[in-house]
Amino acid sequence: ETGVTQSPTHLIKTRGQQVTLRCSSQSGHNTVSWYQQALGQGPQFIFQYYREEENGRGNFPPRFSGLQFPNYSSELNVNALELDDSALYLCASSPDGSNRYTGELFFGEGSRLTVL
Amino acid sequence: EDQVTQSPEALRLQEGESSSLNCSYTVSGLRGLFWYRQDPGKGPEFLFTLYSAGEEKEKERLKATLTKKESFLHITAPKPEDSATYLCAAVITGGGNKLTFGTGTQLKVEL
Repeated sequence: ETGVTQSPTHLIKTRGQQVTLRCSSQSGHNTVSWYQQALGQGPQFIFQYYREEENGRGNFPPRFSGLQFPNYSSELNVNALELDDSALYLCASSPDGSNRYTGELFFGEGSRLTVL
Repeated sequence: EDQVTQSPEALRLQEGESSSLNCSYTVSGLRGLFWYRQDPGKGPEFLFTLYSAGEEKEKERLKATLTKKESFLHITAPKPEDSATYLCAAVITGGGNKLTFGTGTQLKVEL
């Protein structure tokens, strides 16, 4: 059983550029959530995808968007990058994205984005 | 506003010196309280979930407890390999299953 994998592990972009981060969920999981973790802070919820539909969104602007594919892998896209977007982006998967679920989220190792 | 607060921000212990980390929460309705461990540059690693006041869970040198206002992570006779950032997070009624995290406690255990 493979865990949650993310790519790339590190990347550097400049202000105004666009970035796509990728996540493969754990086998058997149909839900993916994305979190942003700035240095020295706890992770902040960006959004969640459950069965290819966005079913929850945190306080992030529309330039943060995502997709979930039929195999339940996911992408996070960020347009018009700003310096404050520099952070560790974490993907987490779970076997259930419904409001009933309160079990564990399984996190990947993250993608470290630096915006210059 | 729903809030999760952790203290202290940083803690330095000698090997074998037991202590506790605090997580206080002010939320509209708690559905679950989670503890995660995070090593530098890595993703959070699940430790415990607590669902109701009075519940306790243990794993090796760690024990988590929950009251109606806060949770504690007790570390008994810590070792250097316990050094990490410990994050607590809440799943809140009406919040789906998103985690609302605190800012973490950075623990360093020295020989």
